[in-house]
Amino acid sequence: EPEVTQTPSHQVTQMGQEVILRCVPISNHLYFYWYRQILGQKVEFLVSFYNNEISEKSEIFDDQFSVERPDGSNFTLKIRSTKLEDSAMYFCASSEDRVSSTDTQYFGPGTRLTVL
Amino acid sequence: AQSVTQLDSHVSVSEGTPVLLRCNYSSSYSPSLFWYVQHPNKGLQLLLKYTSAATLVKGINGFEAEFKKSETSFHLTKPSAHMSDAAEYFCVVSGSGTYKYIFGTGTRLKVLA
Repeated sequence: EPEVTQTPSHQVTQMGQEVILRCVPISNHLYFYWYRQILGQKVEFLVSFYNNEISEKSEIFDDQFSVERPDGSNFTLKIRSTKLEDSAMYFCASSEDRVSSTDTQYFGPGTRLTVL
Repeated sequence: AQSVTQLDSHVSVSEGTPVLLRCNYSSSYSPSLFWYVQHPNKGLQLLLKYTSAATLVKGINGFEAEFKKSETSFHLTKPSAHMSDAAEYFCVVSGSGTYKYIFGTGTRLKVLA
């Protein structure tokens, strides 16, 4: 069964450094998402992406964040200058279609980002 | 604004006994509702989803959930717990012109031998 994959599984970085989290969505999916979960808190939506554009973003997704689909398979989340509060589990998701809000999003296993 | 509330952060059941994980939602529109499960070091896996076609929704691994509009609830049940059901379960709402998922805080299910 096709799966969403994410690398690395765990990333440790120093405050102020740039990080890139990578995701490989399911191959025929067209819609891509990033979510994050700070330890002990809810999973929160960050951004959705379609046709090489951001289609929706949350207030969390400020100028420090960016997303890109650099080739036909990868979908990346970049944090330009990490802060301590960026420490979280980051989940990538993809969906085949968005005709309705019932379309299922398929999630990767997550990347745990630790900012020191 | 949409939201979901998972009423229990932890639930413990004995193997072979019923499971009930509670979820209440708030939505101005007819929502789409989902239950996802996360096993350790795994991604979030869809258990089932409500799409307004039927109020009783059957999912994988013997789970089901009933949409009750009058109670704004979408509780997850299973008649008989198995050790492999031990995981974290998330109730999710979507809809109202947005495709983003709004998650509950999660319920950690422990199954005792």
